[in-house]
Amino acid sequence: AQSVSQHNHHVILSEAASLELGCNYSYGGTVNLFWYVQYPGQHLQLLLKYFSGDPLVKGIKGFEAEFIKSKFSFNLRKPSVQWSDTAEYFCAVTPYTGFQKLVFGTGTRLLVSP
Amino acid sequence: DVKVTQSSRYLVKRTGEKVFLECVQDMDHENMFWYRQDPGLGLRLIYFSYDVKMKEKGDIPEGYSVSREKKERFSLILESASTNQTSMYLCASIKPGRGNTEAFFGQGTRLTVV
Repeated sequence: AQSVSQHNHHVILSEAASLELGCNYSYGGTVNLFWYVQYPGQHLQLLLKYFSGDPLVKGIKGFEAEFIKSKFSFNLRKPSVQWSDTAEYFCAVTPYTGFQKLVFGTGTRLLVSP
Repeated sequence: DVKVTQSSRYLVKRTGEKVFLECVQDMDHENMFWYRQDPGLGLRLIYFSYDVKMKEKGDIPEGYSVSREKKERFSLILESASTNQTSMYLCASIKPGRGNTEAFFGQGTRLTVV
């Protein structure tokens, strides 16, 4: 069964700082990888996803993530954060084929101070 | 626009009550999920279903059951609610397939058991 680890539980940054959130997964086969975001009081939204091709994936709001297969990692990055990026971020994994059980990490709470 | 709708935004129930949480999706997705979200624990999978009348236990099924009588509807049942089931419950659906897919989430039901 697959699993996901997010090592940063809380991150505090000032506006314009760069962001990198770690995500590692364990699974023996090919996977789909996702980053979801949950803004305060809102439901989960997809930021970006990887399923094949270019391992550098660009998402909404200037976010990007890089899939490094050899490290089983899918880290989320943003060059310059804004106050509006304050949210909780979740990494998730599902097998590429077969039944797609979707498993999440524990989340990273990001606070951006103005 | 794709939609996953959970029947209640907030619920307050008494210990020992039988509680039904309803989820409906209009995307004709085969796979549906129930998660609970707790601070510091991320989204934990309770049950999932990959077809009508089919169900599989997730990581924390104890104290819960599910029902999927129609493709669009997936119900979570707390047989005898307890205070440790106070949580945010999230429903999701996903269209299975090779590769490019994503899960869509409902707005969540915040359940308080007193």
